[in-house]
Amino acid sequence: NAGVTQTPKFQVLKTGQSMTLQCAQDMNHNSMYWYRQDPGMGLRLIYYSASEGTTDKGEVPNGYNVSRLNKREFSLRLESAAPSQTSVYFCASSYDRDQPQHFGDGTRLSIL
Amino acid sequence: GQSLEQPSEVTAVEGAIVQINCTYQTSGFYGLSWYQQHDGGAPTFLSYNALDGLEETGRFSSFLSRSDSYGYLLLQELQMKDSASYFCAVETGNTGKLIFGQGTTLQVKP
Repeated sequence: NAGVTQTPKFQVLKTGQSMTLQCAQDMNHNSMYWYRQDPGMGLRLIYYSASEGTTDKGEVPNGYNVSRLNKREFSLRLESAAPSQTSVYFCASSYDRDQPQHFGDGTRLSIL
Repeated sequence: GQSLEQPSEVTAVEGAIVQINCTYQTSGFYGLSWYQQHDGGAPTFLSYNALDGLEETGRFSSFLSRSDSYGYLLLQELQMKDSASYFCAVETGNTGKLIFGQGTTLQVKP
């Protein structure tokens, strides 16, 4: 019963390095989401994928790209990491747009 | 702009009842959700209101008034394990996109 699995759990990068955060779900969900959470803040949507083959921007998409590889997997890429991207990144999925979202345990990313 | 307002902190004693309010100003509204998060872990879904009124799930209830752009989460018979952060979130369009509030930290004391 894995649910939503994110890898890696922790990562430290240097400014300018690139990185892909992986997310996979085994619940046959159609929609997937990437959020970031900064200290003392709520979650902010970076990108989402309403269904396989589609992606769209959220509130804070600048500096990120995504790929919906198949129904199970949705990856987030930082092409040139910046210290402002230091955050905890959460992936989530839902069966459909108006269904509860299920979250992974997060990736804690530090950029020096 | 779009904004959700909720208190930053609430403290209550074990066994008591606590209400966490959420007011919102968004460009669209399809529904209001509540999520719980323990110590920076994975947020978990608690409830969803699309229509006015009260939804009850065990010790937790959630209320929505669309005309007032207002909702609340009611937690009854508080337990120590209810100490966590609680987020309201508005679904602003027919896409599942959620706008989250900044969260309310609930501390339950013995």
